[in-house]
Amino acid sequence: GEDVEQSLFLSVREGDSSVINCTYTDSSSTYLYWYKQEPGAGLQLLTYIFSNMDMKQDQRLTVLLNKKDKHLSLRIADTQTGDSAIYFCAENAGGYQKVTFGIGTKLQVIP
Amino acid sequence: GAGVSQTPSNKVTEKGKYVELRCDPISGHTALYWYRQSLGQGPEFLIYFQGTGAADDSGLPNDRFFAVRPEGSVSTLKIQRTERGDSAVYLCASSSYREQGPNTEAFFGQGTRLTVV
Repeated sequence: GEDVEQSLFLSVREGDSSVINCTYTDSSSTYLYWYKQEPGAGLQLLTYIFSNMDMKQDQRLTVLLNKKDKHLSLRIADTQTGDSAIYFCAENAGGYQKVTFGIGTKLQVIP
Repeated sequence: GAGVSQTPSNKVTEKGKYVELRCDPISGHTALYWYRQSLGQGPEFLIYFQGTGAADDSGLPNDRFFAVRPEGSVSTLKIQRTERGDSAVYLCASSSYREQGPNTEAFFGQGTRLTVV
């Protein structure tokens, strides 16, 4: 079955790097995503990685994928207070957006 | 509109009542999705529409839940005989689906918070 796991909480100081980790179980996953959810706001797609990639970088965001271990991480460089939110790891097997989400990691950025 | 619009933003209803939740997708998006997010959880897939038809309704929890999209644009999620366990945020998303190639991004609305008392 499909299952996505991630830690519940992460606290970092402003300016430091944040690393949010995720493990998934569906080996047929084609796409893996990171979504951001701020209080009272909808889900926002931050970035995604195709399963045949190991790494993707987009400005302050770096996604690393270890397909063998089914491990995905999101690194946010120079974390800002505006990065405080819940970050969801998600996967799907392609075709359409029937996405399986993790429980979400709450990132707290301390000024 | 500019984004996915969901109405109402909040709905409080009594146990046993019927509710309808509405989603206006981004204009031109053929794919529409409903998800449910319970407190402290990630969103869970409910149903996917491609045009007017429900291509995948495997996430609907039971036959009290039903969704329609009669003209391939606006969708309504209908819940009969509501129970307290139905309390959650119901999220709608839309995307411009491509049959081949990478998924296009699904844009989420802000959700309808349903509270069953």
